[in-house]
Amino acid sequence: AQSVAQPEDQVNVAEGNPLTVKCTYSVSGNPYLFWYVQYPNRGLQFLLKYITGDNLVKGSYGFEAEFNKSQTSFHLKKPSALVSDSALYFCAVRDPGNRDDKIIFGKGTRLHILP
Amino acid sequence: DAGVTQSPTHLIKTRGQQVTLRCSPKSGHDTVSWYQQALGQGPQFIFQYYEEEERQRGNFPDRFSGHQFPNYSSELNVNALLLGDSALYLCASSARGTAQETQYFGPGTRLLVL
Repeated sequence: AQSVAQPEDQVNVAEGNPLTVKCTYSVSGNPYLFWYVQYPNRGLQFLLKYITGDNLVKGSYGFEAEFNKSQTSFHLKKPSALVSDSALYFCAVRDPGNRDDKIIFGKGTRLHILP
Repeated sequence: DAGVTQSPTHLIKTRGQQVTLRCSPKSGHDTVSWYQQALGQGPQFIFQYYEEEERQRGNFPDRFSGHQFPNYSSELNVNALLLGDSALYLCASSARGTAQETQYFGPGTRLLVL
C-alpha cells in the first residue's frame, strides 16, 4: 500500500532564507505527488504536483519541488521565505497503477517563518 | 468561477445523533471525495463518488455513508455519532478522466460531537 512520510513536525526559517519541507513516499508503481498548504481554519490549497517529466516542478507562490525517484522523495522548496508562508503543509501521493487508487496524505509539517 | 463550497461551516451534535454535510464541486468537476481531518493530523480518505456511485472507500465504518446527486453535488452522512467523530470534514472535487485528477478542496465543515 502507498504511504507518505513528513519527517519534521515543524520547520523554523528566518524570513528571506531558503526553506525546505521534506517528504518521502512509498508506492509500488510510478507516483503522482502533490503538495497542499493549509492556513488556520481553512481547507487545503493546491500548490503543485508531479505527474511525469521534468523532476523540478514549479507551483504557486514561488514554491517548487524536486522529484527524486532513487531517494523516493519530493521535497518542497522556496528560495526566499516570506512571513506569509507560515502555514501547515501536506504532501500527498497517489499510485494510479494500483487498483486501490486513492490519495494518501502525510501528517503535515508546520512551517514558521520568523521575521 | 466558484470553487468547492461546503455547508455548514460549523456543527455541534451530541453522541448518537446523525449529521449530514453538503458539498458542491468546482465548476466542471464530476468527482467528489470526502476526507476527515482530526486535530493535528493529515486528511484521511473516507470515500469518493463518481456518476452517483461510491467508487472507492477508505477505512471507515458503515456509519459513514454518502450520496452524489445528478448535478455532482454530494452529501456525507454520519450515523450514531461518537466523540471521536469530532473533526474537520473536507470535500474535494476533481475531473475524472483527466490524467492528473488534481483535487481541489473546500473550506471544510468543523464537527464537534459532545
